[in-house]
Amino acid sequence: DAKTTQPTSMDCAEGRAANLPCNHSTISGNEYVYWYRQIHSQGPQYIIHGLKNNETNEMASLIITEDRKSSTLILPHATLRDTAVYYCIVSVRGGSRLTFGEGTQLTVNP
Amino acid sequence: DTAVSQTPKYLVTQMGNDKSIKCEQNLGHDTMYWYKQDSKKFLKIMFSYNNKELIINETVPNRFSPKSPDKAHLNLHINSLELGDSAVYFCASSQVYAVWALHFGNGTRLTVT
Repeated sequence: DAKTTQPTSMDCAEGRAANLPCNHSTISGNEYVYWYRQIHSQGPQYIIHGLKNNETNEMASLIITEDRKSSTLILPHATLRDTAVYYCIVSVRGGSRLTFGEGTQLTVNP
Repeated sequence: DTAVSQTPKYLVTQMGNDKSIKCEQNLGHDTMYWYKQDSKKFLKIMFSYNNKELIINETVPNRFSPKSPDKAHLNLHINSLELGDSAVYFCASSQVYAVWALHFGNGTRLTVT
């Protein structure tokens, strides 16, 4: 699976959009971008995934650049409950060997 | 509540002991997993079962043995515990056609002294 690079930490004001970047410059054509988050003392939670088109669901939006070498997860209106470690993972479709890296610690401040 | 539940939440034991962690899901999923999160917070898959059959077995010592009595349960038994086994173990489940959308339990923190 391609390696991903994320900032170690980010801060966001409550009510503002949180934009979490991820670099995956070695991504191959059959690899998808997955986002999970892990709230303290809980198991990871699936957020969204995509191949090359932008995706949106009830939790977030995923913007993937045209060359697919980077992506951004957008939480449109961050709340305090969105404080968590966010993981960007690149893996083949249907692959269950998801390896979670260090992720980005997002802190939403009141 | 629909969920993946695992017990116990905390497990403290001595080296050399044998222990088990239980996992149950009531989501109707047909695939279940065990993941290990080490002290650096890296989370890696250990095992995957689909309809009680072992699908994935990563490089895990033989002391770790998963058992799936039915597709709603996947237990993890660990023999001869070592200090390096200390970690948080997560159970997860998914539908076989949506293996990217894993539903995780809240973890079992195992401490070996």
